[in-house]
Amino acid sequence: GQQVMQIPQYQHVQEGEDFTTYCNSSTTLSNIQWYKQRPGGHPVFLIQLVKSGEVKKQKRLTFQFGEAKKNSSLHITATQTTDVGTYFCAALQIKETSGSRLTFGEGTQLTVNP
Amino acid sequence: DTEVTQTPKHLVMGMTNKKSLKCEQHMGHRAMYWYKQKAKKPPELMFVYSYEKLSINESVPSRFSPECPNSSLLNLHLHALQPEDSALYLCASSQDQGFTDTQYFGPGTRLTVL
Repeated sequence: GQQVMQIPQYQHVQEGEDFTTYCNSSTTLSNIQWYKQRPGGHPVFLIQLVKSGEVKKQKRLTFQFGEAKKNSSLHITATQTTDVGTYFCAALQIKETSGSRLTFGEGTQLTVNP
Repeated sequence: DTEVTQTPKHLVMGMTNKKSLKCEQHMGHRAMYWYKQKAKKPPELMFVYSYEKLSINESVPSRFSPECPNSSLLNLHLHALQPEDSALYLCASSQDQGFTDTQYFGPGTRLTVL
């Protein structure tokens, strides 16, 4: 089945440094979604990318979808302690017989030292 | 209201117990999901209900039995669980089981099986 590889698994940064997590697939993706899960919390939807080469920004967060729709990245500028959590990418897998489902990457756990 | 609620928040049960997890949403969403999440891992899809009908069962053992009494409610009945079933159980909903639908996750039930 479709797999989405996400790296790095862990990232420790000093507050104010930038952070990037990457997702890669061997197959073309229909779209990709990004979620954030705070420690002890639940996944919260951040963004969805659908178009080839799409770039979307949310304040200090920049999301990109590759031209070939096989990779995506999330970049955080000048991290803050509130950015701590695990960031998951998730690709939509569509099956004719049973509809769509999300396949999650393994996640990148971000810690920020104040 | 973009909230998915889940009860209970925590549950401890023995291997011979029968218990149920409950999930509710009032966003008019027609697709509801059960996920299982182990520590430091991404959510794993268990079941999907679309328009109150089971559309996906990801080969989940029969000791987990889902139920969708109406479009707002989703239950997960548990019986004869094993210690390895201990995990965070997340419910999610989306407008439809479609191409671009955002999934809204509930806070989860943290289950411990003794």
